[in-house]
Amino acid sequence: EIVLTQSPGTLSLSPGERATLSCRASQSVINTYLGWYQQKPGQAPRLLIYDASSRATGIPDRFSGSGSGTDFTLTISRLEPEDFAVYYCHHYGESQWTFGPGTKVEIK
Amino acid sequence: QVTLRESGPALVRPTQTLTLTCTFSGFSLGTSGMCVSWIRQPPGKALEWLALIDWDDYKYYSTSLKTRLTISKDTSKNQVVLTMTKVDPGDTATYYCARISAYSRTWPNFDSWGQGTLVTVSS
Repeated sequence: EIVLTQSPGTLSLSPGERATLSCRASQSVINTYLGWYQQKPGQAPRLLIYDASSRATGIPDRFSGSGSGTDFTLTISRLEPEDFAVYYCHHYGESQWTFGPGTKVEIK
Repeated sequence: QVTLRESGPALVRPTQTLTLTCTFSGFSLGTSGMCVSWIRQPPGKALEWLALIDWDDYKYYSTSLKTRLTISKDTSKNQVVLTMTKVDPGDTATYYCARISAYSRTWPNFDSWGQGTLVTVSS
């Protein structure tokens, strides 16, 4: 079973700065099956990115995903106040859905 | 508009069986490609996928919890039920149901979520 590792655990940044979040899989995965979610306190997660690099409906273009194989990245080009949240990467394989431990993006 | 809503007990005693219901609208599990899943999140911790049922009544379970979980659907009522046996305090979490559309471009991601229901396991 594939294990997802995310780094850093916490990212302290100021509004307007660039955020780079990493997700590493324990073995090579199919890009199509890698996604990213955003979760704000007290809310359900929201799908941001699917197929490793495609934005879900309504997601601003400051969010972008990239990567392949075992290493994937979520980039927020310029942080807006509403972007401070926890971000989870997610993978599907062999009839199992797996989430990473999350990266918290907090205001510095 | 797709909506999902979880319901169930807020407090469950250890060793008991937990039963949760997901009631949804805006889609039907009678439609080819539709799936509903359960995901949980202990307080302050990460998301954990539990189970999924699809339109054809195929069921998938987390490897680590499959002996304790049962997922079922009532298509006429637009409901999916999850039962978890022998709960313990480690099962305290917010439980979410979420949809996957197998024939959409977002497959296999969860494109719509309920707001979640907090279940506490305590004596």
